[in-house]
Amino acid sequence: SQQGEEDPQALSIQEGENATMNCSYKTSINNLQWYRQNSGRGLVHLILIRSNEREKHSGRLRVTLDTSKKSSSLLITASRAADTASYFCATVEGRAAGNKLTFGGGTRVLVKP
Amino acid sequence: DAGITQSPRHKVTETGTPVTLRCHQTENHRYMYWYRQDPGHGLRLIHYSYGVKDTDKGEVSDGYSVSRSKTEDFLLTLESATSSQTSVYFCAISGRQTNTGELFFGEGSRLTVL
Repeated sequence: SQQGEEDPQALSIQEGENATMNCSYKTSINNLQWYRQNSGRGLVHLILIRSNEREKHSGRLRVTLDTSKKSSSLLITASRAADTASYFCATVEGRAAGNKLTFGGGTRVLVKP
Repeated sequence: DAGITQSPRHKVTETGTPVTLRCHQTENHRYMYWYRQDPGHGLRLIHYSYGVKDTDKGEVSDGYSVSRSKTEDFLLTLESATSSQTSVYFCAISGRQTNTGELFFGEGSRLTVL
């Protein structure tokens, strides 16, 4: 079963626009992470937000976390064609040992030049 | 890039044959993981290891076994491959000695079971 569910499943935008995707999860978490996957490649870690944090920034990325709603959002500002990829949220539950991440189904983002 | 190598990168096999996928890391990280990725299911954890000879089951472990005899190698074995095990398999390592850190992924091994 998936802990995280991303919404939307697919997103198409023009270069320069912002892209927003959401993630909902079911159980209490220690932290939530976002990953990017280019076609045919492995996943690359983007950003980690802990359960006691509400917002985090990294370059053009902004992540929010609302633990009361069990949801997170990833905003990519001023998107570029190179941002075309699938984006996954992943959670580490409570006191889970060993970094066992549970992934959502992902959002496919297409940035048109 | 984290030093993670998966082999083979592509394999086609027949139902009922054994298959072993290898993950090799040069980072000396304690934790190693095997995930499978299928359309509509995201990534699902198969098995993970928290040290040499220390392994545990993940969400979808049935039909798979693992071994870790050295820090750098984590093997995933399908004793008798089935068509439902056609998937892309990813190895990952943990970036820290303690929990809750980020994972570094290999490039994946695409397995087709005919």
